Amino acid sequence: AQTVTQSQPEMSVQEAETVTLSCTYDTSENNYYLFWYKQPPSRQMILVIRQEAYKQQNATENRFSVNFQKAAKSFSLKISDSQLGDTAMYFCAFMTFNNAGNMLTFGGGTRLMVKP
Amino acid sequence: DVKVTQSSRYLVKRTGEKVFLECVQDMDHENMFWYRQDPGLGLRLIYFSYDVKMKEKGDIPEGYSVSREKKERFSLILESASTNQTSMYLCASSPGVGPQQFFGPGTRLTVL
Repeated sequence: AQTVTQSQPEMSVQEAETVTLSCTYDTSENNYYLFWYKQPPSRQMILVIRQEAYKQQNATENRFSVNFQKAAKSFSLKISDSQLGDTAMYFCAFMTFNNAGNMLTFGGGTRLMVKP
Repeated sequence: DVKVTQSSRYLVKRTGEKVFLECVQDMDHENMFWYRQDPGLGLRLIYFSYDVKMKEKGDIPEGYSVSREKKERFSLILESASTNQTSMYLCASSPGVGPQQFFGPGTRLTVL
């Protein structure tokens, strides 16, 4: 079974600064997806960024980027130029390619607060 | 845009009641999911469905059942609600091809 661990239950960052959220996972699979989801206080979960394990290049979406270290099974999220709207719960999640029904395994979450 | 809706944002029920949580998606997705979200535990999969009338147990199915009579609708049923089922419940859907799941707004269920 796969497991996903987020070791930082809470973090804070000053507006306009950079913050990195950590995620590690455990799997015996070689092909899989990794995700970061954001859940703002309004509660609608949205996808922030996605990484395919076979791609060596780290995914980037505007101010959001990942540091994917496959050998270390690490998948951290970097938020640059933090904005007040980035305040949310962030969940790291894992999915295997051979997964009928595309089931996700989630970490426990990191609550991020961006301070003005 | 994909839209996943859930019938209630907040729900308060009494121990022993039968509870129905409804989820509807408008993008003709094959797969639908029910998760439970608890602090520090993230989201845990209760049940999922990959087709009409098909269902599979997730990681924590005990105390829950599901129904999918139509492709767009996936219901979570608590046959006899208990206080340890007080939680946030999230529904999601995904197409048959492609990994991304789309989430509903969640239902905060309190069982007294």
